Amino acid sequence: AQTVTQSQPEMSVQEAETVTLSCTYDTSESDYYLFWYKQPPSRQMILVIRQEAYKQQNATENRFSVNFQKAAKSFSLKISDSQLGDAAMYFCAYRSAGSSNTGKLIFGQGTTLQVKP
Amino acid sequence: EAGVAQSPRYKIIEKRQSVAFWCNPISGHATLYWYQQILGQGPKLLIQFQNNGVVDDSQLPKDRFSAERLKGVDSTLKIQPAKLEDSAVYLCASSFPLYNSPLHFGNGTRLTVT
Repeated sequence: AQTVTQSQPEMSVQEAETVTLSCTYDTSESDYYLFWYKQPPSRQMILVIRQEAYKQQNATENRFSVNFQKAAKSFSLKISDSQLGDAAMYFCAYRSAGSSNTGKLIFGQGTTLQVKP
Repeated sequence: EAGVAQSPRYKIIEKRQSVAFWCNPISGHATLYWYQQILGQGPKLLIQFQNNGVVDDSQLPKDRFSAERLKGVDSTLKIQPAKLEDSAVYLCASSFPLYNSPLHFGNGTRLTVT
């Protein structure tokens, strides 16, 4: 079974600075997707960034980028120029690829990010 | 497009009572998921539907939890009887029936069992 581990329960960053959130996962599959979701107090899960395992190039979305190390099974999220609105809980998630899979997401435990003004 | 709708937003019940949550997915989304998120933890899949059929309910506590998706659109999740450990946020998500189709989440229902 696949598992996702986030070892940082809480992180703090100064506004305009850069912060990196860590995530490791365990799988025997070769084809899968990895995601970072943001969950503000409103509770709605918001997709931040997505990475396909077959792509070597790291995904980027504006101030958000990932460091995907497939061999090490590591998937970290870097937030540049942190803003107050980035404060939220961040979840790393795994999804099997292939039409035979159900498409469900497997989540890590989450990291609470605090942004200090 | 309208998002995933969930109700109620909050619910407080006493243990051994019953409770039901409702979810209306995005139009055209055949796949519907119910997740349980205990405070301080990541969401855990309870049940997944494809249209009105169950795809995965391996982590659903079937002695007290039940879910249905009549007509393959709206879904209800029920707990009877509730236990203290059922206090959590219940998230509903939906997607197109493709393994790489993104999930869209609702705002969840926060359940407190006293």
